[in-house]
Amino acid sequence: AQTVTQSQPEMSVQEAETVTLSCTYDTSESDYYLFWYKQPPSRQMILVIRQEAYKQQNATENRFSVNFQKAAKSFSLKISDSQLGDAAMYFCAYLMTGANSKLTFGKGITLSVRP
Amino acid sequence: GAVVSQHPSRVICKSGTSVKIECRSLDFQATTMFWYRQFPKQSLMLMATSNEGSKATYEQGVEKDKFLINHASLTLSTLTVTSAHPEDSSFYICSARDPQGEQETQYFGPGTRLLVL
Repeated sequence: AQTVTQSQPEMSVQEAETVTLSCTYDTSESDYYLFWYKQPPSRQMILVIRQEAYKQQNATENRFSVNFQKAAKSFSLKISDSQLGDAAMYFCAYLMTGANSKLTFGKGITLSVRP
Repeated sequence: GAVVSQHPSRVICKSGTSVKIECRSLDFQATTMFWYRQFPKQSLMLMATSNEGSKATYEQGVEKDKFLINHASLTLSTLTVTSAHPEDSSFYICSARDPQGEQETQYFGPGTRLLVL
């Protein structure tokens, strides 16, 4: 079974600084997808970034980028120029390919941003 | 991105009553929707996968007779919590895949907070 591990329950970053959130996963599949979702206090789940495992290039979305290390099964999220609005819970998630596959979430990490 | 709505956003009910939560895909047709439950400061726990026109697939440990799921149309799935008890109080979230978009991406509704007294 696939598992997703987020070992850090909480992190804090100074506004305008950079922070990296860690995520590792375990799978025997070679083709899959990885996601980072953000859940602010409103509790609305927001897609931050996605990565296809067959793509070697790391995904980037504005201030958000990932470091995808397929061999190490690592998928960290880097947030540059942190803003107060980045404060939220962040979930790493794995999805196997296939029409009926289900998202597997990590436990999440609570990110606070200090002004 | 695709938009998913949920109704109601919060509901308070008495123990023993049933509560229905609706999940709608607003700008796309979703053949598959998912229902999650989330406790405070915890991750999302998948309860069931809802397939349009067929029976839902429940995760292990989820009582199908207690959490009734109906996916009667391509834009609507409903979760009914039957004979609710205080331990059913939780945050319920639905999600859907857009088959015309990036099929692997799930779009989430805003969630429903259920409090059973």
